[in-house]
Amino acid sequence: EIVLRQSPPTLSLSPGERATLSCRASQSVSGYLAWYQQKPGQAPRLLIYDASNRATGIPARFSGSGSGTDFTLTISGLEPEDFAVYYCQQRSNWPPIYTFGPGTKLEIK
Amino acid sequence: EVQLVETGGGLIQPGGSLRLSCGASKFTVSSNSMTWVRQAPGKGLEWVSVLYRTGSTYYADSVKDRFTVSRDNSNNTLYLQMNSLRAEDTAVYYCARARGLWGLEYYFDYWGLGTLVIVSS
Repeated sequence: EIVLRQSPPTLSLSPGERATLSCRASQSVSGYLAWYQQKPGQAPRLLIYDASNRATGIPARFSGSGSGTDFTLTISGLEPEDFAVYYCQQRSNWPPIYTFGPGTKLEIK
Repeated sequence: EVQLVETGGGLIQPGGSLRLSCGASKFTVSSNSMTWVRQAPGKGLEWVSVLYRTGSTYYADSVKDRFTVSRDNSNNTLYLQMNSLRAEDTAVYYCARARGLWGLEYYFDYWGLGTLVIVSS
């Protein structure tokens, strides 16, 4: 089973700053990695798929990069509504087992 | 607009059974792969099961042999039958649509609002 690790667990930044969130897989997931944003009391929202493709309606300040085992979600110019928990997620090839990282909480400094 | 609505959650005693429903709008459940994801109170996301458009199903080890995912094409609805419920199954259960290359669907683009299941005596 592929394990995803996210760092840091908590990131404290101010609006306008740049956020860099990391997701590391215990073995290669190729480029099949997704990122989600979740706010309190809400369902997760897909941000990025295939490591770097923005989902429909996601602002350009969100970008994803990486391949293999190391991935990054970057938020350029934090807006107040960006403070939330972010999860990375992947699927192992066979058997299909889906895993989420433990999440990074992005909080207002 | 695509919409998913989960129903069926509630308070259930340990060992009991519950069936969750996920009604879909603006797309056809049977033509898509669908998944269930849960979130225990204050915890992260945990994948539960997937039903591929081919009809194949897979489960997390934590629910295997207790939970069954299915769909009703006529009602455009996804189900999760949960048996032998345990306290650790307490969570908000979300259904979501799975997308990606055929046979490699892995990311979830639309989610419902979730339904809360509490397993307690």
